[in-house]
Amino acid sequence: GAVVSQHPSWVICKSGTSVKIECRSLDFQATTMFWYRQFPKQSLMLMATSNEGSKATYEQGVEKDKFLINHASLTLSTLTVTSAHPEDSSFYICSARDLSTETQYFGPGTRLLVL
Amino acid sequence: ELKVEQNPLFLSMQEGKNYTIYCNYSTTSDRLYWYRQDPGKSLESLFVLLSNGAVKQEGRLMASLDTKARLSTLHITAAVHDLSATYFCAVGLKLGGADGLTFGKGTHLIIQP
Repeated sequence: GAVVSQHPSWVICKSGTSVKIECRSLDFQATTMFWYRQFPKQSLMLMATSNEGSKATYEQGVEKDKFLINHASLTLSTLTVTSAHPEDSSFYICSARDLSTETQYFGPGTRLLVL
Repeated sequence: ELKVEQNPLFLSMQEGKNYTIYCNYSTTSDRLYWYRQDPGKSLESLFVLLSNGAVKQEGRLMASLDTKARLSTLHITAAVHDLSATYFCAVGLKLGGADGLTFGKGTHLIIQP
């Protein structure tokens, strides 16, 4: 099946720093990728849709200036958490849409802990 | 606003038993997905259901979709311990999967010997 990778898999940072998370589709091209966030023992919540070559679309309540998304190529989207605070600590999961199967394949996730 | 409700949210069952997880959604859609999540891990795609009446089976799991009732079911047959995980259903609205998914709260399944 299609493979999506994320890097890093976990990160610990100090409050006020910025963290960049990469999401790559390894064996297919993805014009659209998605970023989700999952708090402990909760479901996934869609944060934004990342479109190759254009601006991301953010869900209601998600600050676009805080969560910067760049989708510079058909296989890479990045999420930058700017000026991270402890409440941003979460499990961030990206997915990429495989047109041939109409399925979203999820990356392994990035666990962020902000101290 | 699309709402996706799963039940039960927690299920403890014995090996060898059968059970069904239900997923209701509030807006017309013919794109429903089932995922499995193990503790500390990301999501594994189980089934993609894209039309009314769709039924798919993989091993001891079978998923179906009734778009008129806005209901999908995930049926477990003769459960085994390895199936212990959290199962999520998710719904998409746009054709071709161009939108992000709305997830149910998940069903935490524990299968005891």
